Amino acid sequence: RKEVEQDPGPFNVPEGATVAFNCTYSNSASQSFFWYRQDCRKEPKLLMSVYSSGNEDGRFTAQLNRASQYISLLIRDSKLSDSATYLCVVNIHSGGATNKLIFGTGTLLAVQP
Amino acid sequence: EAGVTQFPSHSVIEKGQTVTLRCDPISGHDNLYWYRRVMGKEIKFLLHFVKESKQDESGMPNNRFLAERTGGTYSTLKVQPAELEDSGVYFCASSQDLGLAGSDTQYFGPGTRLTVL
Repeated sequence: RKEVEQDPGPFNVPEGATVAFNCTYSNSASQSFFWYRQDCRKEPKLLMSVYSSGNEDGRFTAQLNRASQYISLLIRDSKLSDSATYLCVVNIHSGGATNKLIFGTGTLLAVQP
Repeated sequence: EAGVTQFPSHSVIEKGQTVTLRCDPISGHDNLYWYRRVMGKEIKFLLHFVKESKQDESGMPNNRFLAERTGGTYSTLKVQPAELEDSGVYFCASSQDLGLAGSDTQYFGPGTRLTVL
């Protein structure tokens, strides 16, 4: 079983649609949670951190449910420029010594005109 | 501010040859990480430097891979001898040291696309 599981998609949605991505993680020691965005043949870039209280950044809303080990990302009013792969990422701290990121395989979003 | 840079952007070598990848982190970042994405798979952690020390190398696949960070600035990742399964994109990331506060944002370089024939 993968440590971080995501639906690979692709999600094909029209402009203006609302789309939701879900992710589950298996390691209960995971302490920090993120959504990264990766454009084709580019590096991953941090989209937003995810907190238990939920957080919003413009059209993007992220939620974390520690009890269920579940993370979500909601994109409202999709734009063509939102087309990318969205990576669910958790961070496991091991005695404060390491800070490695564990990635999901990513969910491909294609926003259609 | 300059981001994380990596060199080369692409490398095509034959099985058995040696390749050295370089990463220059963001200036002032003590933490430097190497990750790899093999085709069809997720990005996977290789190792983590704090300054010049290897903090965690649990993700290194085998002893054909050698990472160094002399002087605590740039890092190199050498693959010797390269095998077909080493093909993939090698990403470097860096972050500031926030001590025991825990998580800090990792900024990724553009990656080196390695193809072993």
